[in-house]
Amino acid sequence: SQTIHQWPATLVQPVGSPLSLECTVEGTSNPNLYWYRQAAGRGLQLLFYSVGIGQISSEVPQNLSASRPQDRQFILSSKKLLLSDSGFYLCAWSVLSNTQYFGPGTRLTVL
Amino acid sequence: GIQVEQSPPDLILQEGANSTLRCNFSDSVNNLQWFHQNPWGQLINLFYIPSGTKQNGRLSATTVATERYSLLYISSSQTTDSGVYFCAVDYGGSQGNLIFGKGTKLSVKP
Repeated sequence: SQTIHQWPATLVQPVGSPLSLECTVEGTSNPNLYWYRQAAGRGLQLLFYSVGIGQISSEVPQNLSASRPQDRQFILSSKKLLLSDSGFYLCAWSVLSNTQYFGPGTRLTVL
Repeated sequence: GIQVEQSPPDLILQEGANSTLRCNFSDSVNNLQWFHQNPWGQLINLFYIPSGTKQNGRLSATTVATERYSLLYISSSQTTDSGVYFCAVDYGGSQGNLIFGKGTKLSVKP
């Protein structure tokens, strides 16, 4: 069966520090991968998606970037964190354009 | 872009009560999903339902695509049903990307 992992689970970082969040999927090949952010107020916003290795599309301009160095690995990064980057970051996968399945999330606090 | 509106924003129920959550969307969609976000933040898939009706235990969902809405029914609610329920739609844009509503926060009291 398929599983999705995210780490770390929680992270507290100072403003201006770099960021690297990792997401890996097991049990499927060539999935679509997604990064979402959930800020206070509950809504989820799509940040990036990827349909293959090295293929990244951004949905909103921001202080973040994403990379997909391997088929089942998706990384969210920042060179310098802002206070507004705080939130709950969720990775998701799907096959083709079907049901999306979400990881456990990373709670990021920027101080 | 497509708008997804959920109602009510907040709902408080006594254990054992039934409830209906609504999701309206402003344009045609390829698919629609319902999720439950538990207190730990995990998003749990409930239904993949672009049209028609599905049931899973005490939960059921109906999507009327031609009228652009979906309903989630919770019967005989339990305290473990508490959390936030999200509706999300794929409007046929880039690669199945989902647009989420703001959710309905459900609190079930014992």
